[in-house]
Amino acid sequence: NAGVTQTPKFRILKIGQSMTLQCTQDMNHNYMYWYRQDPGMGLKLIYYSVGAGITDKGEVPNGYNVSRSTTEDFPLRLELAAPSQTSVYFCASNLGQGHTEAFFGQGTRLTVV
Amino acid sequence: AQSVSQHNHHVILSEAASLELGCNYSYGGTVNLFWYVQYPGQHLQLLLKYFSGDPLVKGIKGFEAEFIKSKFSFNLRKPSVQWSDTAEYFCAVKGSGNTGKLIFGQGTTLQVKP
Repeated sequence: NAGVTQTPKFRILKIGQSMTLQCTQDMNHNYMYWYRQDPGMGLKLIYYSVGAGITDKGEVPNGYNVSRSTTEDFPLRLELAAPSQTSVYFCASNLGQGHTEAFFGQGTRLTVV
Repeated sequence: AQSVSQHNHHVILSEAASLELGCNYSYGGTVNLFWYVQYPGQHLQLLLKYFSGDPLVKGIKGFEAEFIKSKFSFNLRKPSVQWSDTAEYFCAVKGSGNTGKLIFGQGTTLQVKP
């Protein structure tokens, strides 16, 4: 009963480095999302996907990229890490088709120094 | 653009006190509303949701929320809090369209003193 799994849980990056945050879900959900959480700001949507091969920008997409080659996986890529990307990142999934309850992963705490 | 506003950023209560956290949203159409909770070091979990019907919705762990359409509000309540309710609480509204996107409020940190 894994649900939404994110790796890694913690990471420290240097400015300019790149990395991929992994997200996988085993619930056969069509819709997947990446949010970032900053203190006092709530969660902001970075990117989302409504199915394999389909992705779209959310509210704060700059500096990130995503892909959705399978239903299960939705990795988030940071190409040139910047201090402004220090945040906690949450992946979420939703069955779709009117089912709007989202299930969240444990989060990845990223620090860019 | 849709938005969600939570009035209280940090609330401190003693055990057994009553809780009410405010949430207002800006969207005039049909709304789906949610309260999520995030316990320290954990992921977000759904407390309760409103889609339609009875505006008073019951959630897990004794929480409830009331949808008041005329006030664009969806306040969270609990009659008697416990130390284990210490957490961050997020109100959210489903965004427009059929993509399931959620728009979150800023969050309210609740600290319950034993």
